[in-house]
Parts: sequence; structure tokens; C-alpha cells
Amino acid sequence: QKEVEQDPGPLSVPEGAIVSLNCTYSNSAFQYFMWYRQYSRKGPELLMYTYSSGNKEDGRFTAQVDKSSKYISLFIRDSQPSDSATYLCAISNTGNQFYFGTGTSLTVIP
Amino acid sequence: NAGVTQTPKFQVLKTGQSMTLQCAQDMNHNSMYWYRQDPGMGLRLIYYSASEGTTDKGEVPNGYNVSRLNKREFSLRLESAAPSQTSVYFCASSMSPDTEAFFGQGTRLTVV
Repeated sequence: QKEVEQDPGPLSVPEGAIVSLNCTYSNSAFQYFMWYRQYSRKGPELLMYTYSSGNKEDGRFTAQVDKSSKYISLFIRDSQPSDSATYLCAISNTGNQFYFGTGTSLTVIP
Repeated sequence: NAGVTQTPKFQVLKTGQSMTLQCAQDMNHNSMYWYRQDPGMGLRLIYYSASEGTTDKGEVPNGYNVSRLNKREFSLRLESAAPSQTSVYFCASSMSPDTEAFFGQGTRLTVV
């Protein structure tokens, strides 16, 4: 069983839609959670970082962690064409080695 | 403001050849990482260096070696390249292992 599972998509939404991206994980000991955005042929860049459970908001982006369900989510409000990218979740229990999901490809249509 | 710089950006190797991927960061970060990214597999950690002078195996270390040359530089060596090592390789760095990692632009390696 993989440490983290992520639906690869692809996901296609109209501009202005609310986007929900999700990952599930297997080990309840995980407590560090990250979301990265990766544009085509570029390196990943950090969007959100959460330690333990709860919600975190940054502009149009909200990260949620539900440790009881071992489920993490990234919500994008008022999605823009510039949000078109692959989104990767990453989790860790020690902060030393993060396990990455396979990524969800998102296209926002103008 | 370079951040994390990887060289080369592209490389084609023949099976059995060796090469070294170079990585340098200018953010005074303590920790550095090498990942490979394959379709449907996500990013997988090859090796990491939590601090200067230390290196540790990640999830997929077989066939690779690393050197933390100094605080800025972390190189990845393929001694005898195999087609299974065809991938995109990313170097990353962070201030500490549990903080944000900054990634380079990647090296696209093809082994024929």
C-alpha cells in the first residue's frame, strides 16, 4: 500500500469555479502536510504547509487536514487560468522524508 | 536570486555510462534532497542530507550515490546508468528537514 494516494485526474473546471483536490494517507502518525504546485516542465513550489490537524487559509487557497479520516484537501476559490498546473500533496511523520502523491492535473478554462 | 540551480538541464546517456548531476543552493539552507519524478509515481526521495557532512538513503537509493560537497552543493552520481533511471531529477533544499523545500528546475535524463 502506498503511503499517500492522490487521484491523478485530469480535472477540468471553468474559470471562477471552486476546486477541491484530495489525498488520503495510510499512517495515522503522519503530522506534516504540504501542498505543492508544479507548472509544466518546472520544479514544484510550495503552496501550503500544515502541521497536525485543522484548516489553513492563504488568499484563495485553503488546506484542510482530517486526521480521523486520514484525508487532506486543498480548496481553490475563484479559480483562474493561471491555476492550471499539477498539484502534489506531501506528508511526513518526522519532517525528514516527505512522501508525495502522484499529483492531480488541473486545467481552468477561461 | 538563483535559489536552487541544477546542471545539466538535459542529458542523454548510453547504458553503462556514468554521470554526475550537480546541485547548488544560495539560500544558506542546511538540508538538501534529490528526488526523481516518473509518470504515475510522483516524486520519490533518492537521498537526502539533513546537514553538511551527513547523507541518508531515501525511498529509492539503489544505483545512486551522493556527495554533500559543502553547505551549498549536493551532487548525485549514477555509476552505471540503466534505462530504468530515465526520469526527471529534482534537487531541493530547506532550512531544516521539517520546513519548506525549494526545488530546482529539474534535469531530464534519458538512458538509452
